[in-house]
Amino acid sequence: EADIYQTPRYLVIGTGKKITLECSQTMGHDKMYWYQQDPGMELHLIHYSYGVNSTEKGDLSSESTVSRIRTEHFPLTLESARPSHTSQYLCASSESGDDIQYFGAGTRLSVL
Amino acid sequence: KNQVEQSPQSLIILEGKNCTLQCNYTVSPFSNLRWYKQDTGRGPVSLTIMTFSENTKSNGRYTATLDADTKQSSLHITASQLSDSASYICVVSDRGSTLGRLYFGRGTQLTVWP
Repeated sequence: EADIYQTPRYLVIGTGKKITLECSQTMGHDKMYWYQQDPGMELHLIHYSYGVNSTEKGDLSSESTVSRIRTEHFPLTLESARPSHTSQYLCASSESGDDIQYFGAGTRLSVL
Repeated sequence: KNQVEQSPQSLIILEGKNCTLQCNYTVSPFSNLRWYKQDTGRGPVSLTIMTFSENTKSNGRYTATLDADTKQSSLHITASQLSDSASYICVVSDRGSTLGRLYFGRGTQLTVWP
């Protein structure tokens, strides 16, 4: 069982609200990732981090931002949510860039 | 363009039967290939990971094969159980960057009926 946790599991909010999706892991992994997944579609990497104070944008353009102040914590923030942000957001971590990634249960976001 | 294609898109089988899921990829350079199982509403869980030199790897009733020459992989599920109902995702890692970029397939949605 992977020790990586995401909160909230489900979130329904109105357009224009600021939200933060939380992700924490207790495995001491340096590498952490955020993916976006729509139903029936592949995962798309939106942000990743090699370690504390390191963040990079992924392949899919995203209006979200991330921070990595602590090894175990990798929150994702949307300053002003829009209906186009409705999706499932998955957080993952790995020991190295080429190693197995362990995923959280995901946050399903709906923006009305 | 690096891609990962999976087939079939969806599959329904009866409990106790075997099935095989396919994955074709064009990712290069190749580092490793992974199969993940994703239950509805959950994050993916790793089943197997194979490098270039590995032809087959098993995890319980799951057996993955890899042909790096033809860039094909398969996941065979033996004696299926209701709990096998999930999406099975093929993921290929390259060595083109220090990140070890991952390429995800769209998954095969497996439904096991009693």
